[in-house]
Amino acid sequence: EADIYQTPRYLVIGTGKKITLECSQTMGHDKMYWYQQDPGMELHLIHYSYGVNSTEKGDLSSESTVSRIRTEHFPLTLESARPSHTSQYLCASSDAGTVVSGNTIYFGEGSWLTVV
Amino acid sequence: AQSVAQPEDQVNVAEGNPLTVKCTYSVSGNPYLFWYVQYPNRGLQFLLKYITGDNLVKGSYGFEAEFNKSQTSFHLKKPSALVSDSALYFCAVRGGFQKLVFGTGTRLLVSP
Repeated sequence: EADIYQTPRYLVIGTGKKITLECSQTMGHDKMYWYQQDPGMELHLIHYSYGVNSTEKGDLSSESTVSRIRTEHFPLTLESARPSHTSQYLCASSDAGTVVSGNTIYFGEGSWLTVV
Repeated sequence: AQSVAQPEDQVNVAEGNPLTVKCTYSVSGNPYLFWYVQYPNRGLQFLLKYITGDNLVKGSYGFEAEFNKSQTSFHLKKPSALVSDSALYFCAVRGGFQKLVFGTGTRLLVSP
Protein backbone atom coordinates (compact mmCIF):
# COMPACT_ATOMS: atom_id res chain seq x y z
CA GLU A 1 0.00 0.00 0.00
CA ALA A 2 1.13 3.53 -0.72
CA ASP A 3 0.97 6.21 1.93
CA ILE A 4 -0.93 9.12 0.46
CA TYR A 5 -1.97 12.01 2.61
CA GLN A 6 -4.62 14.56 1.80
CA THR A 7 -5.39 17.72 3.74
CA PRO A 8 -7.81 19.05 4.64
CA ARG A 9 -10.22 16.13 4.86
CA TYR A 10 -13.20 18.46 5.14
CA LEU A 11 -13.45 22.09 4.13
CA VAL A 12 -16.36 24.53 4.02
CA ILE A 13 -15.57 27.86 2.38
CA GLY A 14 -17.38 30.84 0.93
CA THR A 15 -17.82 31.60 -2.74
CA GLY A 16 -14.91 33.42 -4.32
CA LYS A 17 -12.28 32.14 -1.92
CA LYS A 18 -9.03 30.60 -3.11
CA ILE A 19 -8.32 27.12 -1.81
CA THR A 20 -5.53 24.59 -2.14
CA LEU A 21 -6.01 20.90 -1.49
CA GLU A 22 -2.77 19.28 -0.44
CA CYS A 23 -1.63 15.82 -1.48
CA SER A 24 1.62 14.12 -0.66
CA GLN A 25 2.94 10.58 -0.97
CA THR A 26 5.94 8.94 0.60
CA MET A 27 6.51 6.08 -1.84
CA GLY A 28 8.47 7.98 -4.46
CA HIS A 29 5.83 7.33 -7.13
CA ASP A 30 6.34 9.28 -10.32
CA LYS A 31 2.70 9.23 -11.42
CA MET A 32 0.06 11.13 -9.50
CA TYR A 33 -3.60 11.85 -10.20
CA TRP A 34 -6.57 13.91 -9.04
CA TYR A 35 -10.07 12.48 -9.38
CA GLN A 36 -13.34 14.26 -8.65
CA GLN A 37 -16.28 12.32 -7.21
CA ASP A 38 -19.76 13.46 -6.28
CA PRO A 39 -21.16 11.48 -3.30
CA GLY A 40 -21.70 7.85 -4.20
CA MET A 41 -21.06 8.51 -7.86
CA GLU A 42 -18.37 7.55 -10.36
CA LEU A 43 -14.91 9.04 -10.40
CA HIS A 44 -13.67 11.43 -13.07
CA LEU A 45 -10.02 12.15 -13.75
CA ILE A 46 -9.35 15.90 -13.70
CA HIS A 47 -5.52 16.10 -13.58
CA TYR A 48 -2.50 13.83 -13.76
CA SER A 49 1.25 14.06 -13.67
CA TYR A 50 4.02 11.77 -14.85
CA GLY A 51 6.70 13.44 -12.77
CA VAL A 52 8.20 16.72 -11.69
CA ASN A 53 7.18 19.65 -13.89
CA SER A 54 4.74 17.43 -15.79
CA THR A 55 0.99 18.09 -15.51
CA GLU A 56 -1.86 17.24 -17.83
CA LYS A 57 -5.60 17.81 -17.82
CA GLY A 58 -7.77 14.76 -17.40
CA ASP A 59 -10.94 13.57 -19.04
CA LEU A 60 -13.27 15.88 -17.12
CA SER A 61 -12.81 19.60 -17.61
CA SER A 62 -12.01 21.37 -14.36
CA GLU A 63 -11.38 24.98 -13.39
CA SER A 64 -8.79 23.81 -10.89
CA THR A 65 -5.05 23.84 -11.51
CA VAL A 66 -2.23 21.64 -10.26
CA SER A 67 1.52 21.84 -9.88
CA ARG A 68 4.28 19.25 -9.46
CA ILE A 69 7.41 20.89 -8.17
CA ARG A 70 8.45 17.94 -6.03
CA THR A 71 7.94 14.24 -6.65
CA GLU A 72 6.05 13.72 -3.41
CA HIS A 73 3.74 16.72 -3.62
CA PHE A 74 0.80 17.35 -5.99
CA PRO A 75 -1.44 20.19 -4.76
CA LEU A 76 -4.71 21.22 -6.41
CA THR A 77 -5.81 24.86 -6.40
CA LEU A 78 -9.10 26.62 -7.06
CA GLU A 79 -8.53 30.34 -7.56
CA SER A 80 -12.16 31.32 -6.97
CA ALA A 81 -14.40 28.64 -5.50
CA ARG A 82 -18.03 28.33 -6.54
CA PRO A 83 -20.87 26.13 -5.24
CA SER A 84 -20.52 24.00 -8.40
CA HIS A 85 -17.07 22.97 -7.12
CA THR A 86 -18.65 21.21 -4.14
CA SER A 87 -17.46 17.61 -4.38
CA GLN A 88 -14.98 15.08 -3.09
CA TYR A 89 -11.47 15.28 -4.51
CA LEU A 90 -9.36 12.13 -4.44
CA CYS A 91 -5.61 12.15 -4.91
CA ALA A 92 -3.82 9.02 -6.09
CA SER A 93 -0.38 7.82 -7.03
CA SER A 94 0.91 4.90 -9.03
CA ASP A 95 3.91 2.66 -8.85
CA ALA A 96 5.87 1.80 -11.97
CA GLY A 97 4.87 -1.85 -11.95
CA THR A 98 6.34 -4.36 -14.34
CA VAL A 99 5.35 -5.71 -17.71
CA VAL A 100 3.92 -8.76 -15.97
CA SER A 101 2.36 -7.23 -12.85
CA GLY A 102 1.38 -3.88 -14.28
CA ASN A 103 1.07 -0.83 -12.08
CA THR A 104 -1.47 -0.18 -9.33
CA ILE A 105 -3.02 3.16 -8.45
CA TYR A 106 -3.39 3.89 -4.74
CA PHE A 107 -5.76 6.51 -3.33
CA GLY A 108 -5.71 8.92 -0.44
CA GLU A 109 -8.67 9.35 1.91
CA GLY A 110 -10.12 12.24 -0.07
CA SER A 111 -10.90 15.89 0.59
CA TRP A 112 -14.54 16.89 0.90
CA LEU A 113 -15.05 20.44 -0.33
CA THR A 114 -18.26 22.39 0.27
CA VAL A 115 -18.58 25.87 -1.20
CA VAL A 116 -21.38 27.97 0.24
CA ALA B 1 -11.76 3.97 -25.87
CA GLN B 2 -11.51 1.77 -22.82
CA SER B 3 -14.61 1.48 -20.68
CA VAL B 4 -16.26 -0.68 -18.04
CA ALA B 5 -19.90 -1.13 -17.19
CA GLN B 6 -21.42 -2.10 -13.86
CA PRO B 7 -25.00 -3.05 -14.67
CA GLU B 8 -26.30 -3.14 -11.09
CA ASP B 9 -26.65 -0.02 -8.97
CA GLN B 10 -27.12 -2.14 -5.86
CA VAL B 11 -26.66 -5.75 -4.85
CA ASN B 12 -28.37 -7.14 -1.77
CA VAL B 13 -27.18 -10.34 -0.12
CA ALA B 14 -27.63 -12.00 3.25
CA GLU B 15 -24.64 -12.50 5.50
CA GLY B 16 -23.01 -15.87 4.90
CA ASN B 17 -24.27 -16.15 1.33
CA PRO B 18 -22.00 -15.86 -1.71
CA LEU B 19 -21.90 -12.52 -3.44
CA THR B 20 -21.21 -11.42 -7.00
CA VAL B 21 -20.74 -7.88 -8.25
CA LYS B 22 -20.77 -7.69 -12.03
CA CYS B 23 -18.49 -5.83 -14.39
CA THR B 24 -18.09 -5.98 -18.16
CA TYR B 25 -15.40 -4.26 -20.13
CA SER B 26 -14.68 -2.90 -23.57
CA VAL B 27 -11.06 -2.45 -24.58
CA SER B 28 -8.82 -2.48 -27.58
CA GLY B 29 -5.93 -4.77 -26.86
CA ASN B 30 -5.27 -6.62 -23.63
CA PRO B 31 -7.38 -5.50 -20.67
CA TYR B 32 -5.85 -4.46 -17.38
CA LEU B 33 -8.74 -4.64 -14.91
CA PHE B 34 -9.11 -3.57 -11.30
CA TRP B 35 -11.55 -3.67 -8.40
CA TYR B 36 -11.67 -1.03 -5.68
CA VAL B 37 -13.87 -0.66 -2.60
CA GLN B 38 -14.99 2.59 -1.01
CA TYR B 39 -16.39 2.85 2.50
CA PRO B 40 -18.44 5.92 3.51
CA ASN B 41 -16.44 9.15 3.61
CA ARG B 42 -13.25 7.30 2.68
CA GLY B 43 -10.97 7.01 -0.31
CA LEU B 44 -10.76 3.98 -2.57
CA GLN B 45 -8.99 0.84 -1.41
CA PHE B 46 -7.38 -1.47 -3.94
CA LEU B 47 -8.81 -5.01 -3.85
CA LEU B 48 -7.31 -6.86 -6.80
CA LYS B 49 -6.25 -6.63 -10.42
CA TYR B 50 -5.99 -8.76 -13.54
CA ILE B 51 -3.05 -8.20 -15.83
CA THR B 52 -2.34 -11.60 -17.32
CA GLY B 53 -2.21 -15.25 -16.30
CA ASP B 54 -4.81 -17.14 -14.28
CA ASN B 55 -8.39 -16.13 -14.93
CA LEU B 56 -9.21 -16.33 -11.22
CA VAL B 57 -7.57 -13.52 -9.31
CA LYS B 58 -7.44 -13.50 -5.53
CA GLY B 59 -7.39 -10.25 -3.63
CA SER B 60 -7.80 -8.64 -0.24
CA TYR B 61 -10.43 -9.47 2.40
CA GLY B 62 -11.32 -12.83 0.81
CA PHE B 63 -12.47 -11.33 -2.48
CA GLU B 64 -11.68 -12.83 -5.85
CA ALA B 65 -12.55 -11.99 -9.42
CA GLU B 66 -13.02 -14.12 -12.48
CA PHE B 67 -11.76 -12.86 -15.82
CA ASN B 68 -13.77 -14.17 -18.77
CA LYS B 69 -12.44 -13.09 -22.14
CA SER B 70 -15.26 -14.56 -24.22
CA GLN B 71 -17.89 -12.73 -22.16
CA THR B 72 -15.68 -9.65 -21.62
CA SER B 73 -16.48 -9.80 -17.94
CA PHE B 74 -14.58 -9.39 -14.68
CA HIS B 75 -17.04 -10.18 -11.89
CA LEU B 76 -16.09 -9.74 -8.25
CA LYS B 77 -16.96 -12.62 -5.95
CA LYS B 78 -16.78 -13.72 -2.36
CA PRO B 79 -17.88 -17.13 -1.07
CA SER B 80 -19.38 -15.86 2.19
CA ALA B 81 -20.46 -12.24 2.62
CA LEU B 82 -19.96 -10.25 5.82
CA VAL B 83 -22.00 -7.28 7.00
CA SER B 84 -18.73 -5.33 7.03
CA ASP B 85 -18.43 -5.90 3.26
CA SER B 86 -21.24 -3.38 2.74
CA ALA B 87 -19.69 -0.59 0.69
CA LEU B 88 -19.44 0.90 -2.79
CA TYR B 89 -17.48 -1.20 -5.27
CA PHE B 90 -15.84 0.14 -8.42
CA CYS B 91 -14.56 -1.76 -11.40
CA ALA B 92 -11.89 -0.01 -13.46
CA VAL B 93 -9.84 -0.53 -16.59
CA ARG B 94 -6.48 0.97 -17.37
CA GLY B 95 -6.80 3.44 -20.18
CA GLY B 96 -4.26 5.41 -22.13
CA PHE B 97 -1.16 6.71 -20.32
CA GLN B 98 -1.87 4.33 -17.42
CA LYS B 99 -4.92 6.24 -16.25
CA LEU B 100 -7.86 4.39 -14.71
CA VAL B 101 -11.35 4.56 -16.18
CA PHE B 102 -13.98 3.70 -13.60
CA GLY B 103 -17.43 2.21 -13.78
CA THR B 104 -20.40 3.88 -12.13
CA GLY B 105 -20.07 1.79 -8.98
CA THR B 106 -22.24 -0.85 -7.33
CA ARG B 107 -23.49 -0.51 -3.80
CA LEU B 108 -23.29 -3.79 -1.90
CA LEU B 109 -25.62 -4.19 1.04
CA VAL B 110 -25.12 -7.25 3.24
CA SER B 111 -27.93 -7.84 5.69
CA PRO B 112 -27.41 -9.64 9.01
